[in-house]
Amino acid sequence: GQQLNQSPQSMFIQEGEDVSMNCTSSSIFNTWLWYKQDPGEGPVLLIALYKAGELTSNGRLTAQFGITRKDSFLNISASIPSDVGIYFCAGLKRNNNDMRFGAGTRLTVKP
Amino acid sequence: EAGVTQFPSHSVIEKGQTVTLRCDPISGHDNLYWYRRVMGKEIKFLLHFVKESKQDESGMPNNRFLAERTGGTYSTLKVQPAELEDSGVYFCASSQVSGTGELFFGEGSRLTVL
Repeated sequence: GQQLNQSPQSMFIQEGEDVSMNCTSSSIFNTWLWYKQDPGEGPVLLIALYKAGELTSNGRLTAQFGITRKDSFLNISASIPSDVGIYFCAGLKRNNNDMRFGAGTRLTVKP
Repeated sequence: EAGVTQFPSHSVIEKGQTVTLRCDPISGHDNLYWYRRVMGKEIKFLLHFVKESKQDESGMPNNRFLAERTGGTYSTLKVQPAELEDSGVYFCASSQVSGTGELFFGEGSRLTVL
């Protein structure tokens, strides 16, 4: 089906370290997105990718849309305590409007 | 500008009872979505409104769930009768344009069914 496999499930890192997480699927998506959920809040869009191979940055965050259109990764450089939260990947097909989300990567940053 | 607001933030009910969740989207956003996240799992699509019409309700689990958006403004999601497996966080999201994946989420309504 259109299930998204997101890994890792959780990460415990030291402040200042770089982080990498990814999302794969057996299906092709036309759009890949990364959302972050802070504790007690709703998910907030971080980066949207619309083209295969696209590499996009947003501050310390960098995300790539895989060439096969079946995967995406998110990197966070020089992590800080406020990076704590759950990061969700999401894939969208243009011919329908419902997005598929991954199960999330819970990030903990130790000061 | 106010964001997407959801009420209640947390509801604890017994199996068999009824709960109604409310979502107020960002003003002017025609697209309104309901999602649900069960602990540790993915955020799952439930349905999508365009104004007052149900564009896609393929994610609704069963007929115990009823969503409405009368007048095309706020939306309600009613669960009747609630079952244990309905527990989770129900997110509402809205967008001005559909098809981009760029949604504005509310803080969610946590439902606990005992």
